[in-house]
Amino acid sequence: QKEVEQDPGPLSVPEGAIVSLNCTYSNSAFQYFMWYRQYSRKGPELLMYTYSSGNKEDGRFTAQVDKSSKYISLFIRDSQPSDSATYLCAMKNRDDKIIFGKGTRLHILP
Amino acid sequence: DGGITQSPKYLFRKEGQNVTLSCEQNLNHDAMYWYRQDPGQGLRLIYYSQIVNDFQKGDIAEGYSVSREKKESFPLTVTSAQKNPTAFYLCASSIPPGRGMNTEAFFGQGTRLTVV
Repeated sequence: QKEVEQDPGPLSVPEGAIVSLNCTYSNSAFQYFMWYRQYSRKGPELLMYTYSSGNKEDGRFTAQVDKSSKYISLFIRDSQPSDSATYLCAMKNRDDKIIFGKGTRLHILP
Repeated sequence: DGGITQSPKYLFRKEGQNVTLSCEQNLNHDAMYWYRQDPGQGLRLIYYSQIVNDFQKGDIAEGYSVSREKKESFPLTVTSAQKNPTAFYLCASSIPPGRGMNTEAFFGQGTRLTVV
């Protein structure tokens, strides 16, 4: 079993819809959770950072962490064509090693 | 402006040659990382360093070497032993956990290496 599992997509949704992106993981030692957005041929850009379980909201983005289920989610409200990108989940434990999911390609259809 | 600078943006190498990718950060971060990205593979960890003069192998370290002589710099050498070096290479840095601060990683804009 891979440490971090993420559906690669592609995921296509109409403009204005709510997008739900998810990752599961196997290592219960992960404590720090991140979501990145990556446009083609660019470096990943940090969207959300959360520590341990709970929800965090920032504008149109909400990150959820459920450590009991080893499941994290990113929700995008009022999706825009400019949100079309690859979204990567990442997680870290106290030994500082950061493990990424494979990324989900998202297409927002105008 | 604080950030991470990777250079060059594009790099071409002949088979059998070693090549060094540069990564510099002015964020005062202790931890630095190198990842490789191939289509459909996500980011795979090559090496990471938590402190000057120390580094650990990641999941795909074979054929690569690093050094960490300064806090700001973490160069990656792709050696001739790396069988399939053509890829997009990403450098990142962060504050290590346990310091009462956020520990998220920030990335440079990457170096695209092509073996010709």
